[in-house]
Amino acid sequence: GENVEQHPSTLSVQEGDSAVIKCTYSDSASNYFPWYKQELGKRPQLIIDIRSNVGEKKDQRIAVTLNKTAKHFSLHITETQPEDSAVYFCAAVSSGSARQLTFGSGTQLTVLP
Amino acid sequence: ETGVTQTPRHLVMGMTNKKSLKCEQHLGHNAMYWYKQSAKKPLELMFVYNFKEQTENNSVPSRFSPECPNSSHLFLHLHTLQPEDSALYLCASSLKHGSYNEQFFGPGTRLTVL
Repeated sequence: GENVEQHPSTLSVQEGDSAVIKCTYSDSASNYFPWYKQELGKRPQLIIDIRSNVGEKKDQRIAVTLNKTAKHFSLHITETQPEDSAVYFCAAVSSGSARQLTFGSGTQLTVLP
Repeated sequence: ETGVTQTPRHLVMGMTNKKSLKCEQHLGHNAMYWYKQSAKKPLELMFVYNFKEQTENNSVPSRFSPECPNSSHLFLHLHTLQPEDSALYLCASSLKHGSYNEQFFGPGTRLTVL
């Protein structure tokens, strides 16, 4: 099955700086890669996703890049703000009829004021 | 409350107890999921229901028993649990399983097994 690894597990940045979280996946047939944000005590929520037919997608201060050859994808947050502090999970959708989400282990991002 | 709701939000039970977790979605979705979230571990998919039919059971011990009476409701029946089963149990739903559909999560049930 699919295996998703996520790094780093914790990340601290100064307000206004950029943050980058990286994930690798094992199933070369995976073709959908969502990112979820989970604030403390709250439910995970989708913030951005990318399909395998594009290499980059941007939505205001967040962007995701995908390298299918290397089987890795990254989340980029620019001009970070304190409200960006949360746990971020990457995920990959495996191939075949199952198409279940396999999540990374999460990155605790702390934006320091 | 709109979206995905879960009850109870917190549950403490002994190893010999039987309890049930409930999930309800008000989004008109056809797929529902149970996830286990333990500290410092990835979200673990437990069960998937698509149009009320169970399509995935990720090697979950039989002490966890799901039930999906209709597309809007999902239960997780618990019996003779172990302390290592203590975790946050998240329910999610999506329009349907097997395509590029966003999963909407409930707030979770924080389970403690004594």
